[in-house]
Order: sequence, then C-alpha cells, then structure tokens
Amino acid sequence: AQSVTQLGSHVSVSEGALVLLRCNYSSSVPPYLFWYVQYPNQGLQLLLKYTSAATLVKGINGFEAEFKKSETSFHLTKPSAHMSDAAEYFCAVSDQARQGSARQLTFGSGTQLTVLP
Amino acid sequence: GAGVSQSPSNKVTEKGKDVELRCDPISGHTALYWYRQSLGQGLEFLIYFQGNSAPDKSGLPSDRFSAERTGGSVSTLTIQRTQQEDSAVYLCASSLIGYGTEAFFGQGTRLTVV
Repeated sequence: AQSVTQLGSHVSVSEGALVLLRCNYSSSVPPYLFWYVQYPNQGLQLLLKYTSAATLVKGINGFEAEFKKSETSFHLTKPSAHMSDAAEYFCAVSDQARQGSARQLTFGSGTQLTVLP
Repeated sequence: GAGVSQSPSNKVTEKGKDVELRCDPISGHTALYWYRQSLGQGLEFLIYFQGNSAPDKSGLPSDRFSAERTGGSVSTLTIQRTQQEDSAVYLCASSLIGYGTEAFFGQGTRLTVV
C-alpha cells in the first residue's frame, strides 16, 4: 500500500522568503512522486514529478523538489515566494506501473500556502 | 479538446435526487480517474478506468455511486438519491498509460445538495 503525509495543512511565508512544503511517502516499491498545485476554483495542475531519474527535480514557476530515499521524503521548495504562489499544494505518489498498466495516484491532504506582503 | 472537460461546472440538487456528472478526457488518454474533494479535505479516490479492463471501483463510498465510460472516452459519474454529505467538488483526470505518466485534471464539478 502507498500513502502520503503532508506536514502542515497551512503554511504562511512572507513575499521573497523561502517556501518549504513537506511531503513524506510510504510505498512498498520505488515510487513515482508528484507535486500538484490547485488555484481557487480550478483543477489541479502538475508542478513537477520524480520518475527515478535525477533526484533533484525542477518544475514550473521556479519550484523544485528533491527525492530522498533514506528519508522517504519529497519536499517542495522555492527560493523566493511570490504573491501568485498562494494556492493549495498536493503531493501524490504512484507505484511504478507495470508495463502497459496505470495506477491511481494517492494524494496527501494538501497544504494551503499563504504569501504575506 | 486541449484538456479534460467536465460538465456541469456547478450543480445544485435537492436531497434525494439523482445527478450525473460528465467527464470528457484528453483524446488518446486511455486511463481516466474520478476523485472527490470535500471542503477542506484532500482528494479522495473514487474510481478509475484503464482501457478495456474492468474498472477499479474500490474507492466508491456507497452503492449510490456508479460510473461508466462509454467507447473508452467520455465518462459519467452517477450519484443516486443524493445526500447532503455528497456535496463536494468532483474532479476527473485522464492520463496515458506508462511509467510515471502524470494525470491531467479537469476543473471539476461543484455539487451542492440542499
């Protein structure tokens, strides 16, 4: 079974400050890991994904995440927060798919990011 | 279309009525997923379809919920005898099949049961 834990349902940072959103996963096999962002009244948009290539993954809007197997973590960071980053962020895990199959994503409970002026 | 399309975007229904929610996935995507997002909650997996295989219905919360996917494309999620606790945003996503493929989400249907 796979699961995702996001520490902190709400995170507030000042504009220009470092953003750090935490995600820990549990998976019986090497996972695929994703970060999605959801702006108000919109669906989810993929920020970045880890698929067993480079452990440091760069995504859109200046976000990046580092896969640390020893810590079973995939924390999301951005060096300098912008007002437009205010949104809800979801970490998700998917077991490695067998060839020709797909697996549903298991999502964390989400972290609401507030950016203060 | 260019993305996953869901309709209606908003639905208000009376308790006890049936509702149908529609999802039009990205052309060529053989995997389709339904999730439910309740206020202040994360995403709850409901069901997914993969090509012609039997759907994984393990997330459906009760037998009032059902879904079908016709012709491997459009999907309909049906909720019978709606209850107030069914009020939520229902999100549909589609993806290709393969290693590490991401899901693309629609904007959701906001269902309100009064």
